[in-house]
Amino acid sequence: DVKVTQSSRYLVKRTGEKVFLECVQDMDHENMFWYRQDPGLGLRLIYFSYDVKMKEKGDIPEGYSVSREKKERFSLILESASTNQTSMYLCASSFNRGRSGYEQYFGPGTRLTVT
Amino acid sequence: SQQGEEDPQALSIQEGENATMNCSYKTSINNLQWYRQNSGRGLVHLILIRSNEREKHSGRLRVTLDTSKKSSSLLITASRAADTASYFCATVSWQEYGNKLVFGAGTILRVKS
Repeated sequence: DVKVTQSSRYLVKRTGEKVFLECVQDMDHENMFWYRQDPGLGLRLIYFSYDVKMKEKGDIPEGYSVSREKKERFSLILESASTNQTSMYLCASSFNRGRSGYEQYFGPGTRLTVT
Repeated sequence: SQQGEEDPQALSIQEGENATMNCSYKTSINNLQWYRQNSGRGLVHLILIRSNEREKHSGRLRVTLDTSKKSSSLLITASRAADTASYFCATVSWQEYGNKLVFGAGTILRVKS
């Protein structure tokens, strides 16, 4: 079974703190993704990565950065957390084999609260 | 860039009944996928249907795709209380969005026992 794990299920941080969210997958997937999910807004893509050290901006990258130093690990960084970044953060991974597109496998999510 | 839109937004049925959810999208697609999310958890992939397919089955799930109408439906037969969850459609449209999945807002399904 594919496994995608996220470092924390719940996280509470203060405004201005630097926050690291870690995601690890064990299926040798090339692609990794970070989403945030908010009521009424659905899932929105923050950043994604096709390969080690590669990153692409998604729909809402402002206020976030990412790091992919190893194939299995994709980190989301909030440089200076703000209250509007309170959300559920979901990591996902998938194969990258051409244009047909493959299913994504999701982690359990991290519910981040910024106070 | 929300491409898919599910209908209805919420659905409440009795155990044993069938549940049908619909998804409409705007651009041409390579494939369409359905995901389930239990409350407060990550998404689980249910089924993928390619643009050249019209129908696909997986256990109690049946998905149809009508590319001329840019729509898809997910049918869950003989529903169970454990099917209570949010259901999302997501599209892959290489020409428009590359390899990214674009999600709809979801349908909340409640199955009463």
